Amino acid sequence: GNSVTQMEGPVTLSEEAFLTINCTYTATGYPSLFWYVQYPGEGLQLLLKATKADDKGSNKGFEATYRKETTSFHLEKGSVQVSDSAVYFCALSALAGGFKTIFGAGTRLFVKA
Amino acid sequence: DAMVIQNPRYQVTQFGKPVTLSCSQTLNHNVMYWYQQKSSQAPKLLFHYYDKDFNNEADTPDNFQSRRPNTSFCFLDIRSPGLGDAAMYLCATSRDGGQGDSPLHFGNGTRLTVT
Repeated sequence: GNSVTQMEGPVTLSEEAFLTINCTYTATGYPSLFWYVQYPGEGLQLLLKATKADDKGSNKGFEATYRKETTSFHLEKGSVQVSDSAVYFCALSALAGGFKTIFGAGTRLFVKA
Repeated sequence: DAMVIQNPRYQVTQFGKPVTLSCSQTLNHNVMYWYQQKSSQAPKLLFHYYDKDFNNEADTPDNFQSRRPNTSFCFLDIRSPGLGDAAMYLCATSRDGGQGDSPLHFGNGTRLTVT
């Protein structure tokens, strides 16, 4: 079945550090891939998405590239801010799964000033 | 702004006492979902409506039910809450649910406490 695996947290960084959160997936066919972010006490928000191989999703300085050859969708940001502290979820949606969204376990990010 | 609104933000209920959580949307999306989320774990899909068609996940307990009286509103009913049902309940919508590239739009959730 479809699944998403992302790196365990928490991840603790200093402000302006480089961020990478790894995400790999297993899916039949060609899934769409997403990153969602959840700030404390709130619901999830879409951060970025990519719908086909080699697409790069980007938003608010975050980027992720759909790599079909490595079945990965790693999240990166060149310079994190304290306000980026949140939980980040990698997710996929695929035909074989009835287009239900499958989430990874989430990675908590702490950014220190 | 178009949005997904959940009420209340916090709900306290007693063990075994029925409780209803509500969700409304102004996005006019045809798919509405209910997720259960515990302790910053991944959201777990309970069920979803595609228009009026109800789709229950195989592992959703019978204790959980849902109603969607119209496009804008969806309710989650917990008939006899147990201590293990304490969680954040998230409502989400999507435009069609059939193309795979439509993201989910979440409300801010209702945190349920069972005493």
